[in-house]
Amino acid sequence: GQNIDQPTEMTATEGAIVQINCTYQTSGFNGLFWYQQHAGEAPTFLSYNVLDGLEEKGRFSSFLSRSKGYSYLLLKELQMKDSASYLCAAMDSNYQLIWGAGTKLIIKP
Amino acid sequence: ETGVTQTPRHLVMGMTNKKSLKCEQHLGHNAMYWYKQSAKKPLELMFVYSLEERVENNSVPSRFSPECPNSSHLFLHLHTLQPEDSALYLCASSQDSGAGANVLTFGAGSRLTVL
Repeated sequence: GQNIDQPTEMTATEGAIVQINCTYQTSGFNGLFWYQQHAGEAPTFLSYNVLDGLEEKGRFSSFLSRSKGYSYLLLKELQMKDSASYLCAAMDSNYQLIWGAGTKLIIKP
Repeated sequence: ETGVTQTPRHLVMGMTNKKSLKCEQHLGHNAMYWYKQSAKKPLELMFVYSLEERVENNSVPSRFSPECPNSSHLFLHLHTLQPEDSALYLCASSQDSGAGANVLTFGAGSRLTVL
């Protein structure tokens, strides 16, 4: 079956770096998405990877390894506003999104 | 403002009530979606509309009935719901459905509680 695994919860310190991992098993692959969702708010798009490697966007970077079925989201210089849930989703051969349950990131001062 | 507006934001209903959730987007997108989000569970796709035609129905119980009168509006009609239907219902839109890196723009959701 198709499956996405990501940690349920992570805690990090303001100013530090955190890496949120995501492993996926899908029937075919057409890319991997990361979304951020603050409590009570809409999920918002962060990144899309379809080729192996690292994509950097300011303090956030996303990495993909297709051969390992693995991605991570790297957040640098953490700020209190980065406290949110981070959703990983892989797109299968039918262009259907397979979602993870999300990782709740708690930032402490 | 995310570009996708959902109303109401909160809804409490009894199992015998009939209510509707509304979603509106003015992004010029051609595809609209209903998702169910339950605590600590992955997003569940319920319905997909592309150019006002339903293209996906993931075996959703008939007590949920979608309606897409035009490309900017999407409704979810609710009838005879069960307590396990309590969840956050998210509407989303994208430029197209299907092939390509279709980035979803989500609304903030309608929090539904069924008593």
